[in-house]
Amino acid sequence: NAGVTQTPKFQVLKTGQSMTLQCAQDMNHNSMYWYRQDPGMGLRLIYYSASEGTTDKGEVPNGYNVSRLNKREFSLRLESAAPSQTSVYFCASSRTGEYDQPQHFGDGTRLSIL
Amino acid sequence: GNSVTQMEGPVTLSEEAFLTINCTYTATGYPSLFWYVQYPGEGLQLLLKATKADDKGSNKGFEATYRKETTSFHLEKGSVQVSDSAVYFCALISDKLIFGTGTRLQVFP
Repeated sequence: NAGVTQTPKFQVLKTGQSMTLQCAQDMNHNSMYWYRQDPGMGLRLIYYSASEGTTDKGEVPNGYNVSRLNKREFSLRLESAAPSQTSVYFCASSRTGEYDQPQHFGDGTRLSIL
Repeated sequence: GNSVTQMEGPVTLSEEAFLTINCTYTATGYPSLFWYVQYPGEGLQLLLKATKADDKGSNKGFEATYRKETTSFHLEKGSVQVSDSAVYFCALISDKLIFGTGTRLQVFP
């Protein structure tokens, strides 16, 4: 019963370093999402992928890139990390992007940029 | 644009007390509404949902009714337990999922 798996769970980076957050789902879902969670701001959508082969910007895409590697995997890359990107990052998936489909979340990646 | 407004927390209750967490929304059209719960150190889990006006979502003793006339989706539970301590997020989806800022619930024995 893995659901949505994110790696790593914790990471500390220095300003300017790059890294990729990994996400995989085993529910055969078509749509996948990346969010960041900051205190007092709820969750904000960074990028999403409605289906394999497509990606679109969300509310806060600047400083990030994504790759939908296949149906299961959706990665988030920080090319040059900045302290403002310190956050908790959540990956989610849903069967489709339709309005009544709930999203299933991973346990998050806690990222600190020094 | 679409938005969700939740009451600020934390909400602090004694075990077996009645819970209400207020949620109102602004949206064009007829969005679906959700409550998600986040336990410490974990991701969000869907708690309940309602897809049209007057629908009542329910799960684990929690309930919320989709009120179009008041654009509200308040979360209620008749008797909370210590294990209900978590952060609760109201959300709507029209073209994308939009979350409120979350309300922390603390239940003490």
